[in-house]
Amino acid sequence: AQTVTQSQPEMSVQEAETVTLSCTYDTSENNYYLFWYKQPPSRQMILVIRQEAYKQQNATENRFSVNFQKAAKSFSLKISDSQLGDTAMYFCAFMREIGNDMRFGAGTRLTVKP
Amino acid sequence: GAGVSQTPSNKVTEKGKYVELRCDPISGHTALYWYRQSLGQGPEFLIYFQGTGAADDSGLPNDRFFAVRPEGSVSTLKIQRTERGDSAVYLCASSLTPGTETEQYFGPGTRLTVT
Repeated sequence: AQTVTQSQPEMSVQEAETVTLSCTYDTSENNYYLFWYKQPPSRQMILVIRQEAYKQQNATENRFSVNFQKAAKSFSLKISDSQLGDTAMYFCAFMREIGNDMRFGAGTRLTVKP
Repeated sequence: GAGVSQTPSNKVTEKGKYVELRCDPISGHTALYWYRQSLGQGPEFLIYFQGTGAADDSGLPNDRFFAVRPEGSVSTLKIQRTERGDSAVYLCASSLTPGTETEQYFGPGTRLTVT
């Protein structure tokens, strides 16, 4: 079974600074997909970024980038130039290449301070 | 266009009662997913529909939980003989096609409280 671990229950960062959220996972699969989702107080999950395991290049989306280390089974999210609107719960998720059951970590609550 | 909608947004029920939670996916999305998010946890997969059929219901915790999608669009999650441990936010998501190629779009969830 696949498991996803987020070891930082809470983090905070000053506005305009950079913060990194950690995620590790366990799987015996070789091909899979990893995701970071943002969940603001409205509860609606929003996809931030995704990474295909077979791609060596780290994914980037504007201020969001990942550090994907396949051998270490690590998938961290870096948020640059943090904005107040980035305040939310962030969830790391795993999905097998052939599968439909996305597995989520317990989440990291990020607070961006003015 | 409209996103995934879920009704009701909040539901309070007494232990032992029956509840139905509704999900309206994005129009044209063939895949639909239900997740349960307990307090302080990440979402937990319950069931996945491709069209009208439940393609994977391995996440349903027991036979008190059942879901349908009779016309391949709206889905209803049904919980019989509710227990206090069923209290959680129930999230629905839809995607254009199943699998990892297309993004899952989530609804705002239904917060179920069993007293």
